[in-house]
Amino acid sequence: EPEVTQTPSHQVTQMGQEVILRCVPISNHLYFYWYRQILGQKVEFLVSFYNNEISEKSEIFDDQFSVERPDGSNFTLKIRSTKLEDSAMYFCASSGTGELQPQHFGDGTRLSIL
Amino acid sequence: QKEVEQNSGPLSVPEGAIASLNCTYSDRGSQSFFWYRQYSVISTELIMSIYSNGDKEDGRFTAQLNKASQYVSLLIRDSQPSDSATYLCAVSSGGGADGLTFGKGTHLIIQP
Repeated sequence: EPEVTQTPSHQVTQMGQEVILRCVPISNHLYFYWYRQILGQKVEFLVSFYNNEISEKSEIFDDQFSVERPDGSNFTLKIRSTKLEDSAMYFCASSGTGELQPQHFGDGTRLSIL
Repeated sequence: QKEVEQNSGPLSVPEGAIASLNCTYSDRGSQSFFWYRQYSVISTELIMSIYSNGDKEDGRFTAQLNKASQYVSLLIRDSQPSDSATYLCAVSSGGGADGLTFGKGTHLIIQP
C-alpha cells in the first residue's frame, strides 16, 4: 500500500539553526499537510498546501516556518532560527482530491533542539 | 476555537472483549471524522473515516457518528493485545485543504 515517507526520522539541531524536514507524499495525492505534536500534547495542524501554494495555515505557522514543493515528489518544511520549544514530532500527511478524502500520515520526524 | 475531547485513559480491556472509545467535538460545521492509531507517537495509522450519521463497520472496527450530539465513537470487537495503542479522534469541516483538529488521544491497553 502506498505510504507517506519522511526523512530524517530524528533530527538534532542547535538552537538558532535552520532545519529542513522532508516528506514524499503518496504519488497521486494533491493535498499536503504538516502537523506537529509536542510531547504529551495534541497533534496540531500547521499548514496545508495545494497547487503549489499554501491553502490554509494555523496561528502556529508564523514567519519562522515555510513550506515548499521543490520538485514533483518532495514536500519540505523549513524552520528558521529554531527555538527550544520547536522540539516536537513533525508529521507530514497527504490526501487525494475530492471532498472528504482522509489524510494519510507519515511516521514523523522527531526534532530535538538543543 | 474548535475543540475535540477524548478521555485520555488509560482504558484497560480484557482480550476478546469490546473496547469502546469516545470523542466529542465542538464545531457543528464538522463534516469529516476520523480515527487514527498511534504506537509510541509514531506510525499514525488511519483506522476509520465516517462522514454521515449512523454506524460504519470495517472488520473488527465500527465507527459511530451522531452529529446532533456532536459525538463520535469507535468500537473494537474481539480486542487483541496488538490493538494496544493510543487512538486519536480527528475532525475537519470537510474541505480538501482543511487541517484536522485532533483530540489528545485515548491510551488503550488490551490485557491478555
